[in-house]
Amino acid sequence: DGGITQSPKYLFRKEGQNVTLSCEQNLNHDAMYWYRQDPGQGLRLIYYSQIVNDFQKGDIAEGYSVSREKKESFPLTVTSAQKNPTAFYLCASNGMNTEAFFGQGTRLTVV
Amino acid sequence: GNSVTQMEGPVTLSEEAFLTINCTYTATGYPSLFWYVQYPGEGLQLLLKATKADDKGSNKGFEATYRKETTSFHLEKGSVQVSDSAVYFCALRYSSASKIIFGSGTRLSIRP
Repeated sequence: DGGITQSPKYLFRKEGQNVTLSCEQNLNHDAMYWYRQDPGQGLRLIYYSQIVNDFQKGDIAEGYSVSREKKESFPLTVTSAQKNPTAFYLCASNGMNTEAFFGQGTRLTVV
Repeated sequence: GNSVTQMEGPVTLSEEAFLTINCTYTATGYPSLFWYVQYPGEGLQLLLKATKADDKGSNKGFEATYRKETTSFHLEKGSVQVSDSAVYFCALRYSSASKIIFGSGTRLSIRP
């Protein structure tokens, strides 16, 4: 089945740690995105990539980093510089003329 | 710039009531328009879409018509169910190479 997979579903981070969220798609999509969603809120764009080896900052990139070494993969690292990382993180992808497809999300909690 | 404005929630209705969630957009050219639904603890799923003026998207009893003259794409359902309780996002894409822009979401709660 084609789709977009995020892992893990739940992630706990200690203060001062970096953590990496995985996002993989087998839809052959060029574009991939990371969003942050806080409780009861909408989506805020962190980073996006429209082609391999290239990515752009979204509205709230500070404290986050990404890489796009393969078309299928777009991992997000939440660094210790992100002071309030507890949130629900969503990865998405789309092709040239398709709608966006979303993963099931990763819930990150700072402990 | 390109943007989407949707009705603020939360919206609370009784089962079998008629639903309208308003969505208007600002965009150059002829964007594609979408409605997504998010159930608790999950990612977003495409509910319906329309790619040109006067197109009507429909799915699971929901409908939305692309109105270029009013730059709107309002979501409607004739008789809602408790299982429709979710957050609904309106979105647009103004070209095949552009990213998708989302509205702020509208939380819908249906009372039995």
